[in-house]
Amino acid sequence: GAVVSQHPSWVICKSGTSVKIECRSLDFQATTMFWYRQFPKQSLMLMATSNEGSKATYEQGVEKDKFLINHASLTLSTLTVTSAHPEDSSFYICSASKGAGYNEQFFGPGTRLTVL
Amino acid sequence: AQRVTQPEKLLSVFKGAPVELKCNYSYSGSPELFWYVQYSRQRLQLLLRHISRESIKGFTADLNKGETSFHLKKPFAQEEDSAMYYCALTQGGSEKLVFGKGTKLTVNP
Repeated sequence: GAVVSQHPSWVICKSGTSVKIECRSLDFQATTMFWYRQFPKQSLMLMATSNEGSKATYEQGVEKDKFLINHASLTLSTLTVTSAHPEDSSFYICSASKGAGYNEQFFGPGTRLTVL
Repeated sequence: AQRVTQPEKLLSVFKGAPVELKCNYSYSGSPELFWYVQYSRQRLQLLLRHISRESIKGFTADLNKGETSFHLKKPFAQEEDSAMYYCALTQGGSEKLVFGKGTKLTVNP
C-alpha cells in the first residue's frame, strides 16, 4: 500500500501558459502533501506543504502566485504553474504523508515540465 | 538553519566490497534522520530511519549525535545497490524533510 501517482508524467508547454499537475494518494488518505522541485543532478527542494482544506505553506523564495497549490481532498493535491517560463522547466515531485505519527513520506514518480 | 551534507557526489565500489555513504547534519534540536534511495527510473523511497534501528537490504545507519553524523553502511555491496542515495532529516515533530544533495553509488561487477 501507500502508492502516490502523478499526472501527467511529462508535459511540454509554451511560455506564458499555465500547467496543472495532479498528485493522488491511491490507497490511503493523505493528511499532508508536499511539493518538491528537482533540478538535473541536484537534490529535492521543498516548495510547499499542503494540508487538506487549508492554504498551502510555501518555503522561502517560492512565489505563491506562480505556483498555486490546491489540496481539495484527502487524496488529491494539484500544483498549477501559472504563466510558465523556460526557467520553470524542472522535475516536480509530490509526496504524501499519512500523518505525523507515521513520519514517512510516500513519493510520486514525478512530472517533467518543459517550457518552450 | 538545518542542513544535511553528503560530501560525496559519486561513490564507486566493487561488488562484495564494503560501502559507506557519509551524511552529516547541522541542527540544534533532536532531528529524525532518514535515508531515501532512488533506483534508476524509479521513484524515491524510504530505505531506513534512525528511529527504527533496523537493517534494510543489508544497510544500517547509526545516528552519532556527537559527530552529528548518520552514515549509511553495508558490509558487502551488491550490483543492485547501485542507485542515488539521499540523506534527509525532519526537525522537532515537523514532517518537512530537508534533503542532502545525494550520493550516486555505483557497484561494479
